[in-house]
Amino acid sequence: KAGVTQTPRYLIKTRGQQVTLSCSPISGHRSVSWYQQTPGQGLQFLFEYFSETQRNKGNFPGRFSGRQFSNSRSEMNVSTLELGDSALYLCASSSLPQTGLSYNEQFFGPGTRLTVL
Amino acid sequence: TQLLEQSPQFLSIQEGENLTVYCNSSSVFSSLQWYRQEPGEGPVLLVTVVTGGEVKKLKRLTFQFGDARKDSSLHITAAQPGDTGLYLCAGAGAGSYQLTFGKGTKLSVIP
Repeated sequence: KAGVTQTPRYLIKTRGQQVTLSCSPISGHRSVSWYQQTPGQGLQFLFEYFSETQRNKGNFPGRFSGRQFSNSRSEMNVSTLELGDSALYLCASSSLPQTGLSYNEQFFGPGTRLTVL
Repeated sequence: TQLLEQSPQFLSIQEGENLTVYCNSSSVFSSLQWYRQEPGEGPVLLVTVVTGGEVKKLKRLTFQFGDARKDSSLHITAAQPGDTGLYLCAGAGAGSYQLTFGKGTKLSVIP
C-alpha cells in the first residue's frame, strides 16, 4: 500500500505571496489532518477533513485554509505569506472512524518544507 | 487546552547506553502514542497505549502508560545509532480523536 504523499517537498516564496500544498492520503483513508511543525512550537494542528468536510480546526488565522476532494486528496492554502509561516507542513491520514478503533493512528507524509523570504 | 511536556528536550548518549524519555501532562488522556521522526521525514507511529499501567515492548523499546493516564515513558535499552531521531508523544482526550503533540525529545546516539 502506498504511503501518504505530499507535493511539493520544498517551496520558497516571498512575503505576501500565497501557496498551495497538496496531500494524497493512503488509499481507503478518508480523514486527512494538516500540521505545522517549527523548532520553537513543535507540531501544531491546523485542521482535519473527513469526507470533504472540515471536522476540526486548530488555532490558526484565516489565512490558512484547506479543502478535501471526493477522492480524499486534500490541499491547504496559505495566503499573504509571512516570514513566520516558514515551517515544515505535514499531512497525516487516518482510517478513522471506519476501523472501529477507539484511538486515532495517523500516518504522516514526508512534509513540505516552506521557506518564506 | 491539554498540554504534553516532554523531557529532556535533547539527549546525547553513547552507543550501548540506556535511556528514558518522559511525557507528562496534568490532563487525562484516553490514549497516548509515541512517534519517531527522522530528519526530512514525517513522524512514524511506534506504539499506542490505551490502558492505565499498560506496558508495551517493541524490540529494545519499552513504553509505559501511567496508572492515571496522565503520563508516559519510553525506555531504550542498549541504544544504537539507528535510534537517533526526534521522539514525539501525542495524546487524545476522552471522547476525542484529536491528537495533541508534545514538542519532542531529540535523541542523538553516538557510535
